[in-house]
Amino acid sequence: DAGVIQSPRHEVTEMGQEVTLRCKPISGHDYLFWYRQTMMRGLELLIYFNNNVPIDDSGMPEDRFSAKMPNASFSTLKIQPSEPRDSAVYFCASANGEAYGYTFGSGTRLTVV
Amino acid sequence: KQEVTQIPAALSVPEGENLVLNCSFTDSAIYNLQWFRQDPGKGLTSLLLIQSSQREQTSGRLNASLDKSSGRSTLYIAASQPGDSATYLCATRHYGGSQGNLIFGKGTKLSVKP
Repeated sequence: DAGVIQSPRHEVTEMGQEVTLRCKPISGHDYLFWYRQTMMRGLELLIYFNNNVPIDDSGMPEDRFSAKMPNASFSTLKIQPSEPRDSAVYFCASANGEAYGYTFGSGTRLTVV
Repeated sequence: KQEVTQIPAALSVPEGENLVLNCSFTDSAIYNLQWFRQDPGKGLTSLLLIQSSQREQTSGRLNASLDKSSGRSTLYIAASQPGDSATYLCATRHYGGSQGNLIFGKGTKLSVKP
């Protein structure tokens, strides 16, 4: 298995632009999570899905952030419009059921200038 | 609300030393606890997963223990090597709720000197 695949690995964009981050979970995993990591706040859960349905989006900072999971093999996290304070590493993770561990992707490093 | 704390925040040891990293959590209603390793600029690599019914797990030079009643877990690294230098994170997975499923500590940054 190729693991959790995220794209792009790096993204540099100007303030105000739309940014879309992509994630392909491990085949067969029914949970998908989006995390954000910064030096100041560590790892923060943004949103998670179970069987493609958003379960908890209370970690999404504001309405500029949105996430979708149109099918079991693909999810997107969109920021529109982007701001410099959104600069962080965004991780996607997937899991099989509730009793098993998470597998993380390599992350997308986002820089908003 | 679950809180996960890792002590110390940073640790520097000479090569060959055995060491223990600590993790504590406030809510014992967990499915499992997972230890991760993160190298600078990289993603998280899962090291060990301990189910709530287990007391410990071992992988090579690593041994993780879990004491749910006291809300503690330790990661023991035997015969440390410079390649072990990284940040080690523990995370608890618990039953649903508004926090989501996996709560992370802020990590222990380990440096092993040759």
